[in-house]
Order: sequence, then C-alpha cells, then structure tokens
Amino acid sequence: ETGVTQTPRHLVMGMTNKKSLKCEQHLGHNAMYWYKQSAKKPLELMFVYSLEERVENNSVPSRFSPECPNSSHLFLHLHTLQPEDSALYLCASSQDGTGSHEQFFGPGTRLTVL
Amino acid sequence: KNQVEQSPQSLIILEGKNCTLQCNYTVSPFSNLRWYKQDTGRGPVSLTIMTFSENTKSNGRYTATLDADTKQSSLHITASQLSDSASYICVVSWRGVYSGGGADGLTFGKGTHLIIQP
Repeated sequence: ETGVTQTPRHLVMGMTNKKSLKCEQHLGHNAMYWYKQSAKKPLELMFVYSLEERVENNSVPSRFSPECPNSSHLFLHLHTLQPEDSALYLCASSQDGTGSHEQFFGPGTRLTVL
Repeated sequence: KNQVEQSPQSLIILEGKNCTLQCNYTVSPFSNLRWYKQDTGRGPVSLTIMTFSENTKSNGRYTATLDADTKQSSLHITASQLSDSASYICVVSWRGVYSGGGADGLTFGKGTHLIIQP
C-alpha cells in the first residue's frame, strides 16, 4: 500500500469550493489511473495516463480535471462539484497501460460534497 | 456490452469454514481476469491474475479458477480467518480499445462483501 500514496485521506468541501487530490507512486510505473468508487456500485474508471499522456477520459464531467506533470504524480482538480460526486476516489498505477500488469491502488480519498 | 456480475452480493460465514465467490462476465476481447481484496477504508489489493489459458491459480488460502468457455470464474477461500472479512472484486481486462491502443479496458464487478464471524 505504501507504493501509492494519496492525500488528503478525507476531504469535505462545499459546492463552490476548489480543491485538488494528489497521488504519488514510488514504484517506477508508467501508467496512472483515477477511479471513483460509490456505495453499491462498481469501481468507475475516470482517467488513464500512460507515459504522462491522457489515454482515455471516459466522458467524465468537466468539473473533474486531471493533471499528470510526470510519471510519478497525478492530480485531480475539483471545482463546483455536486453532492452526488461524494465518493471514494482511488488512484492506481501499473507498469504500463496495457492491462497485462497488476494495478496497485492507493488508500483513496474519501470526498464529501455538501 | 461488457459486464461483470458477481454473486453473492454479501456472505457471512463462520471462522474456519470454506467459501466460494462467483464471477460471470461478458467481456470481449478478453485479456485477463483478476480478483482483488478490498479492506474497509483501503484501496483494492490484487490476489490473483489469470490469462485465457490458465484454469486455476492459488495464492495461499485463495484459489481462483477460470473457465474461459463459459466465461465464469470463482474464488475459493479455505479455512477462513477473521482477516478475510473484506470486499472481493472481480475485474476483467479487455484488449486495447482506447485511442491508439495505449491501454486496455477494465470492467469491474460490484464485489462480494464477505464477513467472517468468530
């Protein structure tokens, strides 16, 4: 678990706030992912970055904006969120984005939007 | 449509007993299938990964099986322990459908919530 870290672990924000989630991987991987996990729903893939380029964004609302400045860091910038965006946001990394390699997950950020 | 269905949704068993979790999928073109364990408040951790040609794979007390013909997988837990209480998620990977083929697709099941009682 310490291979992928996420901060903050918990975040409460109003709908007009702007905040950012941070993810860092110490595994030397080339692909990083953002997932949303809501209660009683499967994990939803939001964004994939492979070699710092966004590969797929899965039609995520524009109020979620990812940033990958290098292969070790991934951010998710949040603005004007809705209460239904409250969920656990998980970051993961893998050796590459081909799906052949295991994804290592961080502990997640529990987000509550008031 | 790519789908992964897991059953049961939740399961309660006594410590020391065995149990089997099921995963059915309709994913194409298939690449591999993984089972993850997710403890409460933590990210998922991989237990096993199987490709098309593999029928069974073990990781300690966890044994996963794959029938690629019927598109079914199971995760068998032997001699359960209290620490096995968690959600178990089946994930199926499908080949390079993203732009430029740079990444495979992943379809997640909703998971089975397992509770081990003393």
